[in-house]
Amino acid sequence: DAGVTQSPTHLIKTRGQQVTLRCSPKSGHDTVSWYQQALGQGPQFIFQYYEEEERQRGNFPDRFSGHQFPNYSSELNVNALLLGDSALYLCASSLATGNAQYFGPGTRLTVT
Amino acid sequence: AQTVTQSQPEMSVQEAETVTLSCTYDTSESDYYLFWYKQPPSRQMILVIRQEAYKQQNATENRFSVNFQKAAKSFSLKISDSQLGDAAMYFCAYTISNFGNEKLTFGTGTRLTIIP
Repeated sequence: DAGVTQSPTHLIKTRGQQVTLRCSPKSGHDTVSWYQQALGQGPQFIFQYYEEEERQRGNFPDRFSGHQFPNYSSELNVNALLLGDSALYLCASSLATGNAQYFGPGTRLTVT
Repeated sequence: AQTVTQSQPEMSVQEAETVTLSCTYDTSESDYYLFWYKQPPSRQMILVIRQEAYKQQNATENRFSVNFQKAAKSFSLKISDSQLGDAAMYFCAYTISNFGNEKLTFGTGTRLTIIP
């Protein structure tokens, strides 16, 4: 049973560029959440997708957008990258009626 | 807004001993879930244990148990018979949800070191 997978593992981008991160949920899960974890901090909630719709959103600017596909996989897009966007981006999946989120290994984004 | 506070940035324990990590939270809700996640150097966040607020009985998972004090808004994690593989960052998390699968609010974490 495959767990949550994310790609790529590492990514280096330049300020002003755009980036797309990908996530495949755990088998059987239908809900995907994205979190940003700055170095030395706890993860911060970006948004959650269910049935291809954004269901909840944290306090992140519109430069952060996402998408969920019919197979429940998801993408996180960040436009106009800033140095402060450098972080570990974590994807978590769950069942809409479940009681826990399960995390992937993360994508380390470095903005130079 | 809900907040989660972990007041111990770092803790250490001798192998095979017991250690308790502290967590407090602030909420006006009556129904919610609390979690402890472990993040080893590999970075993957691993669910250790969860507690439903409406359950008075403290959750237990093998060597991991919690002390849930709802009135005090306290949720501590006890690790018994500590092992080298327990070394990691431990995060306490909260969600306001009937199901426990919605937005998680995390604390700042406690780094646990196991001394051989």
